[in-house]
Amino acid sequence: KQEVTQIPAALSVPEGENLVLNCSFTDSAIYNLQWFRQDPGKGLTSLLLIQSSQREQTSGRLNASLDKSSGRSTLYIAASQPGDSATYLCAVYGSSNTGKLIFGQGTTLQVKP
Amino acid sequence: EPEVTQTPSHQVTQMGQEVILRCVPISNHLYFYWYRQILGQKVEFLVSFYNNEISEKSEIFDDQFSVERPDGSNFTLKIRSTKLEDSAMYFCASTVDRGRETQYFGPGTRLLVL
Repeated sequence: KQEVTQIPAALSVPEGENLVLNCSFTDSAIYNLQWFRQDPGKGLTSLLLIQSSQREQTSGRLNASLDKSSGRSTLYIAASQPGDSATYLCAVYGSSNTGKLIFGQGTTLQVKP
Repeated sequence: EPEVTQTPSHQVTQMGQEVILRCVPISNHLYFYWYRQILGQKVEFLVSFYNNEISEKSEIFDDQFSVERPDGSNFTLKIRSTKLEDSAMYFCASTVDRGRETQYFGPGTRLLVL
């Protein structure tokens, strides 16, 4: 059974710092991995999608990497801003052929001005 | 930019009552999903729907739950007899290609069962 874990659970950094969020999954047989952002009490906003054949994806200040063999993904945020404060979720589309996503518990990021 | 919409944004109901949560997926999408998030917990998969039928459901999705796509645009989740533990945020999602494309999520319906 696929399990997704995110470390750390919470992170507080000063504005301008580069940071890395971690996601690990137990079953390396995945189709893709998505990173989402969730603001308090709100829905999920998709940030990046990495296909299983890809090693990384970039969007603006965000860079996500994927190492299927080790069951890990990282989300790198460059030059963090207070507006980046949110919970970041990773989700894996694995062995199911229906597109079901398995989520981690998220990392709550606070960027202090 | 197209987006998934959900109504209502909040719903309060009494235990044992029926609720229907509504979603309008993105128009050219083919795969539809419901997830839920109990406060402070992970987002959990409930059900996937394709070609007018359920393609997968979780253990949570018991006989009290049902889904329907009554017309070409709406996708609904019905809970027949709500329980206290059904209190959660319910998210609808859709995608055009389950393997290669992003799943887009709606803003959620916060359900509170009293």
